[in-house]
Amino acid sequence: GQQLNQSPQSMFIQEGEDVSMNCTSSSIFNTWLWYKQDPGEGPVLLIALYKAGELTSNGRLTAQFGITRKDSFLNISASIPSDVGIYFCAGTTSGTYKYIFGTGTRLKVLA
Amino acid sequence: DAGVIQSPRHEVTEMGQEVTLRCKPISGHDYLFWYRQTMMRGLELLIYFNNNVPIDDSGMPEDRFSAKMPNASFSTLKIQPSEPRDSAVYFCASSYGDTQYFGPGTRLTVL
Repeated sequence: GQQLNQSPQSMFIQEGEDVSMNCTSSSIFNTWLWYKQDPGEGPVLLIALYKAGELTSNGRLTAQFGITRKDSFLNISASIPSDVGIYFCAGTTSGTYKYIFGTGTRLKVLA
Repeated sequence: DAGVIQSPRHEVTEMGQEVTLRCKPISGHDYLFWYRQTMMRGLELLIYFNNNVPIDDSGMPEDRFSAKMPNASFSTLKIQPSEPRDSAVYFCASSYGDTQYFGPGTRLTVL
């Protein structure tokens, strides 16, 4: 099926560092979601974005809805060991809940 | 709230056998989604329901897969006959609006 491209695929960072990842699509989306998945669990919603240019925070996490509507960005500030996991973006066009999920960014934090 | 409940959590079966995965959505949610997650293809939407009615089943891989939602509190995904390439983690998610809550998944292994 169709997927969104996420970058980077994986990353190792030192505890306390800031993290940036992005998601790009060939299609225009009207809603972007960011999820985190821990091993053996289902994805958990972190942030939802509904408007181009929107910047939304959830604690140390900040996500932005790209102005082209074809991309989105997630930043994590001052990473901690529990940030380890896989981060997925998901997008959809208006009028449907048929979300397309990104390929995921696997984050590993070195204490 | 107990969240989305899936059973079984793990299923190992032999090729050709029938497999039934079960899901209990969060009470009050009117949308239910079935996803499949593999390393190769990522997270793929198989089918989703609104008010117990299938809305989009274009992601169902082939006729061996079928899904039902007989009432608002229960859904099944059936694979008959199962094949080794069906091995994956199957997630159920429910929502009221566009925020989907995922269950813990069923890890299916077809030998």
